[in-house]
Amino acid sequence: DTGVSQNPRHKITKRGQNVTFRCDPISEHNRLYWYRQTLGQGPEFLTYFQNEAQLEKSRLLSDRFSAERPKGSFSTLEIQRTEQGDSAMYLCASSLDRVSPLHFGNGTRLTVT
Amino acid sequence: AQSVSQHNHHVILSEAASLELGCNYSYGGTVNLFWYVQYPGQHLQLLLKYFSGDPLVKGIKGFEAEFIKSKFSFNLRKPSVQWSDTAEYFCAVNNDYKLSFGAGTTVTVRA
Repeated sequence: DTGVSQNPRHKITKRGQNVTFRCDPISEHNRLYWYRQTLGQGPEFLTYFQNEAQLEKSRLLSDRFSAERPKGSFSTLEIQRTEQGDSAMYLCASSLDRVSPLHFGNGTRLTVT
Repeated sequence: AQSVSQHNHHVILSEAASLELGCNYSYGGTVNLFWYVQYPGQHLQLLLKYFSGDPLVKGIKGFEAEFIKSKFSFNLRKPSVQWSDTAEYFCAVNNDYKLSFGAGTTVTVRA
């Protein structure tokens, strides 16, 4: 399967700890997106990359959140000093270009205790 | 910025019934519209998309959607649902460089 891959699938952490998630997009896709989804809601945009450049960050993304895509391939999303409100499903998606549909990974479910 | 509104939070119906899910978006010029589906335990998958041309769009698994510009709507339909259509359905609009999603509609099909 050459779809979007996310690791880990689940992460349980204690409040105040740092966590890092990884996303491997479809190889020829230039655009990579991070979304967050909570129960009963649709995915909310967090940030996106065009190759290695981070072009947009949502206001939802506090200073505790940082994302990188150092070589324009895989991406990491780090959350520092996690809070219970960070508990959610973190989704990664990639697309070929600006108008092509997004291909989503299975997500990383974060639980902050 | 675009926003998307889905009218129904949860729809329950029997097999062979017809399905229609409402979706409205806020005006913002040229729009690209999408319906995504999430089956239990699976990732979001594209059902169909509208970019331009024929406002009646056909997607996978017998789904179709109609873009009505005057109503800012992009409703999803299926004439006869199956138990396997049980899933969560999301309408989305392309806000130039990113998708904005509705809150989703959970569809439960009873066998």
